[in-house]
Amino acid sequence: AQTVTQSQPEMSVQEAETVTLSCTYDTSESNYYLFWYKQPPSRQMILVIRQEAYKQQNATENRFSVNFQKAAKSFSLKISDSQLGDTAMYFCAFMKQPQGGSEKLVFGKGTKLTVNP
Amino acid sequence: DTGVSQDPRHKITKRGQNVTFRCDPISEHNRLYWYRQTLGQGPEFLTYFQNEAQLEKSRLLSDRFSAERPKGSFSTLEIQRTEQGDSAMYLCASSPQASSNEQFFGPGTRLTVL
Repeated sequence: AQTVTQSQPEMSVQEAETVTLSCTYDTSESNYYLFWYKQPPSRQMILVIRQEAYKQQNATENRFSVNFQKAAKSFSLKISDSQLGDTAMYFCAFMKQPQGGSEKLVFGKGTKLTVNP
Repeated sequence: DTGVSQDPRHKITKRGQNVTFRCDPISEHNRLYWYRQTLGQGPEFLTYFQNEAQLEKSRLLSDRFSAERPKGSFSTLEIQRTEQGDSAMYLCASSPQASSNEQFFGPGTRLTVL
C-alpha cells in the first residue's frame, strides 16, 4: 500500500517570501502521479500542481514549483512570492498508474500554511 | 456554476439515524469518487464509480455505508445507523474519461453525529 507523509503540520511565511512544503511517499510502483492540492478555509479543494513520475523535469505552475526526487521518494512544493490568498491547507497526494481501475488519491495529513502580511 | 456540488453542506443527526448525501459531478465527467476527511487528516478514499458502475470500495466502507450512481450522473452516499465515529467531512470528486488525472472536488458535506 502507498503512504504519503507530510512532516510539517503547520508553517508560516511572510507575504512576498518563499516557502517550501515537504512531502515523502512510499510505493513499490514505478509509474505514478503526484499532486499538491490546496484547501482554503471553508472552501473546496483545488489542484495546485501535478507531476508524472516518468518525467524528470520538475513541474512548474506560475509561482508554484516542485522538487521531485524519485529515488528519494520526495516531492516538495515551493511557493514563491507568497500571497495572502495562499493561506490554506496543502495536501500532497499520490496516484498509481491506472490500469483499468480507479484513480484514487492517497493523501498525506496536510500542512497548514499561513501567509502573514 | 459548473463545478461539483454537494447537498447538504452540513448535517447534524443523532446516533442511530440514517443520513443520505448527494453529489452532482461536473456534467461531462463519468468518474466519481467519495472521500472522507476527519479533523486533522487528509481525505481517505471510500468508493469509485465509472458511469453507473461501482468499481471499487474501500475497507473503510462498512456494511452501514452504501453508495449509488443510478444513471451515471449524480451519486448518493447513505449511512445507516450512524455512529459518533462517522462524524467527518464527506467529499465528492469527479474527473473526465479522457483523464488528466485531475479530480475536481466539491465543497463537501460536514456530518456531525451527536
